[in-house]
Amino acid sequence: LAKTTQPISMDSYEGQEVNITCSHNNIATNDYITWYQQFPSQGPRFIIQGYKTKVTNEVASLFIPADRKSSTLSLPRVSLSDTAVYYCLVGVPFSGNTGKLIFGQGTTLQVKP
Amino acid sequence: NAGVTQTPKFQVLKTGQSMTLQCAQDMNHNSMYWYRQDPGMGLRLIYYSASEGTTDKGEVPNGYNVSRLNKREFSLRLESAAPSQTSVYFCASSEAYTGGTQETQYFGPGTRLLVL
Repeated sequence: LAKTTQPISMDSYEGQEVNITCSHNNIATNDYITWYQQFPSQGPRFIIQGYKTKVTNEVASLFIPADRKSSTLSLPRVSLSDTAVYYCLVGVPFSGNTGKLIFGQGTTLQVKP
Repeated sequence: NAGVTQTPKFQVLKTGQSMTLQCAQDMNHNSMYWYRQDPGMGLRLIYYSASEGTTDKGEVPNGYNVSRLNKREFSLRLESAAPSQTSVYFCASSEAYTGGTQETQYFGPGTRLLVL
């Protein structure tokens, strides 16, 4: 499983766009990149997943360059409720051969008023 | 749908006591997982069950046992609790379909365990 590196913490203000970058130099051909969000006292929840280029959903965008050695989670116009820990995960399709998601320390995003 | 439920929400044990953490999911998922999360750290996989009837060790299995009771339920047992097992325990499940994208895991609310 590819190791990931992301900043330990980030600060932002309400209404700003936040970009969190994750490095995964050893990503394998079959690996996908997935981001999870964890609020205090809750379990992580899926935000977005991608393989290459750009993926967008109602919550965030994920930018993946051609070499796939990094990815950037973009949160548009953050609010106080976006204060959470964000985890970048890289892994192979499970195909029943489960399924060891590796959660690093994540990035603690603090949104200030 | 309740998703993934865990009981109890909070538990205090004395060193050497035993207990079982319960987890159930109503999404008809094949795979289930137990993680622990220590302060300031990410989640670490304890055990997982790829499908009903199978279990495998994760990253930190020592001191724990698991039972996949049926497709819905996956329990985690501490036979002789130690202070080092003080943590927040999360159960998760995923569909485990073949091929396709990396699977999404759905997490329960967690069980906070304090071992004195």
